[in-house]
Amino acid sequence: LAKTTQPISMDSYEGQEVNITCSHNNIATNDYITWYQQFPSQGPRFIIQGYKTKVTNEVASLFIPADRKSSTLSLPRVSLSDTAVYYCLVAGAGSYQLTFGKGTKLSVIP
Amino acid sequence: KAGVTQTPRYLIKTRGQQVTLSCSPISGHRSVSWYQQTPGQGLQFLFEYFSETQRNKGNFPGRFSGRQFSNSRSEMNVSTLELGDSALYLCASSIEGDYGYTFGSGTRLTVV
Repeated sequence: LAKTTQPISMDSYEGQEVNITCSHNNIATNDYITWYQQFPSQGPRFIIQGYKTKVTNEVASLFIPADRKSSTLSLPRVSLSDTAVYYCLVAGAGSYQLTFGKGTKLSVIP
Repeated sequence: KAGVTQTPRYLIKTRGQQVTLSCSPISGHRSVSWYQQTPGQGLQFLFEYFSETQRNKGNFPGRFSGRQFSNSRSEMNVSTLELGDSALYLCASSIEGDYGYTFGSGTRLTVV
């Protein structure tokens, strides 16, 4: 299972764009990259998933370079409600499990 | 549509007792996974079930067990509870082959 490395914490002001980068040097060919958001005492919430290049949905964008050894989650114009822990995960077919790292604690400042 | 439902929401047990937690997945989701979350160890995978079969198991002692029923509902059991079993237990469901897991709100277990 590929190991991921991401910053322990980040601070941002409201209205700014936030980019959280995750390193996954040992990613396998069939692995997908997925990001989850978690608020205290709640289960993680799926944000976005991608394999390569760029993926965008209504809440975030995911940028994956050609070598796929890293990925960047981009949150446009964050608000106080985006304060949470963000997890980057790498998983492939047949693993049937998610391996969570420490995550990045994002604090949005008014 | 209804999300993943976990019951009970909170539970207090005494050391040595056993506990059973329940998880109802999203309708149509046949894969159910369980995770333990503690401040020290973070989120750790317990096991995953699909069509009543355990396909993968994490590194937990045999006191932790689970099962899945024909309607995809799942239960996990912890026997001979220890203080260190105090944690938030999370259940997640997904459609086979879809990595977008949906988590429930969890069961907060406190062992005293």
